Amino acid sequence: GAVVSQHPSRVICKSGTSVKIECRSLDFQATTMFWYRQFPKQSLMLMATSNEGSKATYEQGVEKDKFLINHASLTLSTLTVTSAHPEDSSFYICSAQRSLGLANPHEQYFGPGTRLTVT
Amino acid sequence: QKEVEQNSGPLSVPEGAIASLNCTYSDRGSQSFFWYRQYSGKSPELIMFIYSNGDKEDGRFTAQLNKASQYVSLLIRDSQPSDSATYLCAVKGDAGKSTFGDGTTLTVKP
Repeated sequence: GAVVSQHPSRVICKSGTSVKIECRSLDFQATTMFWYRQFPKQSLMLMATSNEGSKATYEQGVEKDKFLINHASLTLSTLTVTSAHPEDSSFYICSAQRSLGLANPHEQYFGPGTRLTVT
Repeated sequence: QKEVEQNSGPLSVPEGAIASLNCTYSDRGSQSFFWYRQYSGKSPELIMFIYSNGDKEDGRFTAQLNKASQYVSLLIRDSQPSDSATYLCAVKGDAGKSTFGDGTTLTVKP
């Protein structure tokens, strides 16, 4: 399968600070990347869909000014949690979708996730 | 009604048995169907995808799709303790966005 990396894997920050999480597709180009959040023992919750070169599309209830997403290239998307609060503590997972033209154009591959703890 | 429904489980099977995981979806226009495995504390891992009605086999895994019944399943043959995880069903429509079920927790007992 395709490889998607995320950095950092774990971060602890103080309340009020901002945290940037990087998501990279290492061996394929991803026109679309997705950002999810998962609280303990709960399902994945889609936060936003990020398309290369355009503004991200946020799901209902997700504050776009708090969760800044940039998809500057076909292999990199970033999520910045601004003015983080303890309730933002969660497991953040990105996912990259292969560009059209390959055998299975709808395959979506997940990064290993970033565990954010806000103190 | 949720867009993608799965039994939360836990589903417990003995080692060597067949584990059967089920998923129903509400959007008849759904195009692609995926099964992911997620170990505790880890991100999901794609294990199977299916686009057409019928069965698709890959090793010990078989995905079954019935679009008329809006039903997709995953069979795991010769279940191993290492198969113990949460299995997520995902359904994707024309918009390209996947909708995930809440997952079924599988425990394979030695």
